[in-house]
This record gives sequence, structure tokens and C-alpha cells, in this order.
Amino acid sequence: DAGVIQSPRHEVTEMGQEVTLRCKPISGHDYLFWYRQTMMRGLELLIYFNNNVPIDDSGMPEDRFSAKMPNASFSTLKIQPSEPRDSAVYFCASSWDREDYGYTFGSGTRLTVV
Amino acid sequence: KQEVTQIPAALSVPEGENLVLNCSFTDSAIYNLQWFRQDPGKGLTSLLLIQSSQREQTSGRLNASLDKSSGRSTLYIAASQPGDSATYLCAVRPPGNYGQNFVFGPGTRLSVLP
Repeated sequence: DAGVIQSPRHEVTEMGQEVTLRCKPISGHDYLFWYRQTMMRGLELLIYFNNNVPIDDSGMPEDRFSAKMPNASFSTLKIQPSEPRDSAVYFCASSWDREDYGYTFGSGTRLTVV
Repeated sequence: KQEVTQIPAALSVPEGENLVLNCSFTDSAIYNLQWFRQDPGKGLTSLLLIQSSQREQTSGRLNASLDKSSGRSTLYIAASQPGDSATYLCAVRPPGNYGQNFVFGPGTRLSVLP
């Protein structure tokens, strides 16, 4: 298994532009999570899905952030418009049950907004 | 609100030493606790998962213990190697609604010197 695959690995964009981050979870995993990691705030959960349905988006910082999971093998996190304070590493993770076995993170997308 | 702390923030040891990393959490009512490893520029890798009914888990040179009543967990690494150098994070999941996702500690940055 290739693990959780995220793209792109690095993204540099100008303030105000739309940014789309992509994630392919491990096949068979029913849960998908989006996290953000910064030096100041550490690792924060943004949103998670169960069987492609968004369950909890209370961690999404603002309406500029949106996430979708159109099918079991693909999810996107979109920021529109982007701001410099959105600069962070964004991780996607997946697990196959609510007992958290097999909890696997992707390698992350490092986003820089200038 | 659950808070997770980790001591020490950084640790440097010579190769071959046994070491202990500490994790404390403020609310003893947890669903499970998980130890992760993060290498620079990479995602998190799950090392050990301890369910609330368990006291410890072992994997190779790693042993994690859980004492819910005192709000503590320790990660013991035996015969440390340079390849163990990484940041180690503990995360607790609150009970009840699965929507209350992991609360992560800030991590301990470990350097094992050859």
C-alpha cells in the first residue's frame, strides 16, 4: 500500500489566490482527517469525514476554508482567498475504524502564502 | 478542556542509552492514547496505541505505559539508536462523541548521538 498520498508537497502562492490541497486515503479506510501544523499552535484538526460525509468541521478556522470528499479515494481542502497567516503544513490522515487502529498520516503539503 | 503536555521539550543522549519520554494530560477520562513519531519534513507515524482499558503496549524496543488516574503516559525506548532521532508526540482521544478528535502534545525532540 502506498499510504496516504498528498499533493502537492509544496505550494507557494500569492495572497488572495485560491489554493487546493489534495489527499488520497488508504483504500478501505473509512475515516479521513485534515490537520494543520504550525510552530505556534502545533497540530490542529480542521475537519474529518466518515464514509465520505463531513462529520465535524468545527476546527475549520474561517469560511475561507472548505473541504470535500466526493468519493472514498479522494478529498480536497480549499482555501479561497488565501492569506499569509494560512502558511503552515497541512496533513491528511486516514484510519479504518473508530478505534484508531491503522491511523496513518500523509507526508503533508507545505503551504506558503506571500 | 483537555490539555496535553510533554516533558522534556528536547533531549539529547548518546547512542545505546535507555530513555523515557513523558506525557501528561489534564482530564483522565480518555478513550485512548497514541504515541507518534515525526521525522523532519514528514508526516506522523503511529508507534503505539493504548486503549483506555489497557496499561501498556510494546513494540520492539518501544514500550508505552498508561496511568489514567494520574493522567500520565511514558514512552520507554531501549538501547537508543541514531535512527531514533525524531520528534515524539503523544495524543489523547476524549471519550464519547468520536467527533472530539485527538488532542496532541507539543512533542519531545529527541537526538541520539552516535
